[in-house]
Amino acid sequence: EAQVTQNPRYLITVTGKKLTVTCSQNMNHEYMSWYRQDPGLGLRQIYYSMNVEVTDKGDVPEGYKVSRKEKRNFPLILESPSPNQTSLYFCASSPLVQETQYFGPGTRLLVL
Amino acid sequence: DQQVKQNSPSLSVQEGRISILNCDYTNSMFDYFLWYKKYPAEGPTFLISISSIKDKNEDGRFTVFLNKSAKHLSLHIVPSQPGDSAVYFCAAIKNQFYFGTGTSLTVIP
Repeated sequence: EAQVTQNPRYLITVTGKKLTVTCSQNMNHEYMSWYRQDPGLGLRQIYYSMNVEVTDKGDVPEGYKVSRKEKRNFPLILESPSPNQTSLYFCASSPLVQETQYFGPGTRLLVL
Repeated sequence: DQQVKQNSPSLSVQEGRISILNCDYTNSMFDYFLWYKKYPAEGPTFLISISSIKDKNEDGRFTVFLNKSAKHLSLHIVPSQPGDSAVYFCAAIKNQFYFGTGTSLTVIP
């Protein structure tokens, strides 16, 4: 089954404790991206990647890192999480940037 | 600065009637527009799209209209069904995706 998977689905952590949210797609897509969804702000892009080893900042990259060492994986790293990073996070992929994106199920993060 | 805006946070419509969801954008360089639908506890799913060279695209009960001079996009759902109740996001593409803030549609049986 073609899909985008994210892990974990739910995470509670404390300020400053490094964490990684994994994202994997099995559709051989070139383009992958991370979004956060917050009330009243919709979906905002954090980082995106056009291909392996190519990553770019989106609208809200501060406090986040990403890597794209393999085509299928695009982990989101929070080196020192803060409470303002409490949010619902979505990973997405598409064959190319100009095509429909397929979203993962979301990761709900709470930073205390 | 929000380049894609959905000014109506919510909309309620009777079953069987038309639902019209609106979206405005500021960047005339966007070349592709999409609508996504999102249910609670799920990721957004693609609904319908339109290229900037077209002004209308239809898929079953869903039609998207693009007015480039007004920088306005709308989604029409006819007839509306209770299962259409969800949050709808419009999005525009120019090198990256830009999403609107979403409109929560409630279709009343």
